[in-house]
Amino acid sequence: DAKTTQPPSMDCAEGRAANLPCNHSTISGNEYVYWYRQIHSQGPQYIIHGLKNNETNEMASLIITEDRKSSTLILPHATLRDTAVYYCIVRVETSYDKVIFGPGTSLSVIP
Amino acid sequence: DVKVTQSSRYLVKRTGEKVFLECVQDMDHENMFWYRQDPGLGLRLIYFSYDVKMKEKGDIPEGYSVSREKKERFSLILESASTNQTSMYLCASSLSGGALETQYFGPGTRLLVL
Repeated sequence: DAKTTQPPSMDCAEGRAANLPCNHSTISGNEYVYWYRQIHSQGPQYIIHGLKNNETNEMASLIITEDRKSSTLILPHATLRDTAVYYCIVRVETSYDKVIFGPGTSLSVIP
Repeated sequence: DVKVTQSSRYLVKRTGEKVFLECVQDMDHENMFWYRQDPGLGLRLIYFSYDVKMKEKGDIPEGYSVSREKKERFSLILESASTNQTSMYLCASSLSGGALETQYFGPGTRLLVL
């Protein structure tokens, strides 16, 4: 699986959009970009994923650059409950594929 | 919504005890996984199962065994707990064969071995 790099920490004001970047310059053509988050003392939570097109769901939006070497997770209106560690992962989808988490970005939403 | 539940949020055991961690999912997923998460080491795969009574070793299976007698339940067993098995244990499940497969995680079990 390709490696990813993320900033170790970010702050965001409550109610503002949180934009979390991820670099994955060695991504392969068949690898998807996934985002998970982990709130303190809880299990990781799936957020969103995509291959090449931008994606949006009820939690977030995912913007993938045209060359697919980087992406941005957008939380449109951050709340205090969005404070968590956010993990960007690139992986090929296979039935038995494990999830490999890097250090992630620790997002703090500030009142 | 997919629901993955784990039998305990916190456990304290003594060295040498046999420990059972239970995981149940309610979405008829074929695949189930056990990970441990430690500071600075991220998630490490212990075992996974792609069908009832089937199991495969992950990256760190030593000191652990698993059991999958029913599709919805995947148990992790520490035959003789040791202090280096103090960790956060996470169970996950996923569908098999889908074009876009996502692993759903349980809330985790924090195990302390004294």
